[in-house]
Amino acid sequence: AQRVTQPEKLLSVFKGAPVELKCNYSYSGSPELFWYVQYSRQRLQLLLRHISRESIKGFTADLNKGETSFHLKKPFAQEEDSAMYYCALRRGSQGNLIFGKGTKLSVKP
Amino acid sequence: DGGITQSPKYLFRKEGQNVTLSCEQNLNHDAMYWYRQDPGQGLRLIYYSQIVNDFQKGDIAEGYSVSREKKESFPLTVTSAQKNPTAFYLCASSLNSNTEAFFGQGTRLTVV
Repeated sequence: AQRVTQPEKLLSVFKGAPVELKCNYSYSGSPELFWYVQYSRQRLQLLLRHISRESIKGFTADLNKGETSFHLKKPFAQEEDSAMYYCALRRGSQGNLIFGKGTKLSVKP
Repeated sequence: DGGITQSPKYLFRKEGQNVTLSCEQNLNHDAMYWYRQDPGQGLRLIYYSQIVNDFQKGDIAEGYSVSREKKESFPLTVTSAQKNPTAFYLCASSLNSNTEAFFGQGTRLTVV
């Protein structure tokens, strides 16, 4: 079965602390994974995708096929990082995305 | 101003009535999608369309219908058969099935 699991509903950290948002997936083929972010009162937007291997706003994510994970990391969290984060898996040739249930990140001052 | 537009932002309907949510894009994207977002559930795919005049059911299509008569428009009808229609509905589009999806700002539907 194709599935994306984000085990944490809420993650609360202090400003300057490292943050890791967990994402595990189940997919029989070669996965294409994404992180989307939804800031308060803004639309859902792409943060990063694993094939680009880039760092956006200090966030990185590495695809680990052995552990079927795509965790999102940032070494020093900022208050403006507070948002809802969704991990997503592209469903083969259909192109549509399967989303995890999301993790709300709260960065305290 | 380019992008993907959903209207209205808030919608109220009485139980038993059908209601249509609008989604328009001027990005010249071939693919369009409808998702439903519920607290604690993430986003779930309702319907998607990879090209005009064609669409497929997603994971939770029951009680919904769509049309794709024009490339730029992908309206979603929530019918009276949908048991729990109150939700936040998100429309998205992408150039094709392999590219980034762009999302609208959503429509919050409340059925009373």
